[in-house]
Amino acid sequence: AQTVTQSQPEMSVQEAETVTLSCTYDTSESDYYLFWYKQPPSRQMILVIRQEAYKQQNATENRFSVNFQKAAKSFSLKISDSQLGDAAMYFCAYRSDYGNNRLAFGKGNQVVVIP
Amino acid sequence: NAGVTQTPKFRILKIGQSMTLQCTQDMNHNYMYWYRQDPGMGLKLIYYSVGAGITDKGEVPNGYNVSRSTTEDFPLRLELAAPSQTSVYFCASTEFEDSPLHFGNGTRLTVT
Repeated sequence: AQTVTQSQPEMSVQEAETVTLSCTYDTSESDYYLFWYKQPPSRQMILVIRQEAYKQQNATENRFSVNFQKAAKSFSLKISDSQLGDAAMYFCAYRSDYGNNRLAFGKGNQVVVIP
Repeated sequence: NAGVTQTPKFRILKIGQSMTLQCTQDMNHNYMYWYRQDPGMGLKLIYYSVGAGITDKGEVPNGYNVSRSTTEDFPLRLELAAPSQTSVYFCASTEFEDSPLHFGNGTRLTVT
């Protein structure tokens, strides 16, 4: 089974600054998808961004962008111009291209935004 | 459009009791999933279904059962509740294998 590792339990960032969350994963597959999900205190799971492994270009969604390094099996999330609403747990997730859309999640990073 | 609806939102069970966590989606999605989230951890897959009448085990299926008699409903059954099953349970669905998951808002279950 694939494993997803997030090693920084909590990250603090000043409002309007940038924070980067790290994620590494272990797989022997060449085709797969990677995701970042946001979980605010409401418990809702919200998809932030998605990256297909076959794409070399890093995905971006407004203030959120990723740095995908396939050879290093690294998938970091950058949040630019941090806002108070960005405060949440962020989970990195892996999905095989052949696995019926089953996700493997990391343990999460808590992002604290300081006004 | 309600999306994925989970009931109840909260529940406290005594050891050995049984209960069913309900999950319904109104998007006609074929794929449905049950995940559990233990404190300080990511989500782990319990069971999933690729269509009515088809279910399969995920990473942590022990102590749980599921059924999928309709496209809309995917209930999760706990037969003999144990403290190790204290967790937040999420149901999710998706239309195609390649589509993003839609999550419910979770059920917080405490077993004492």
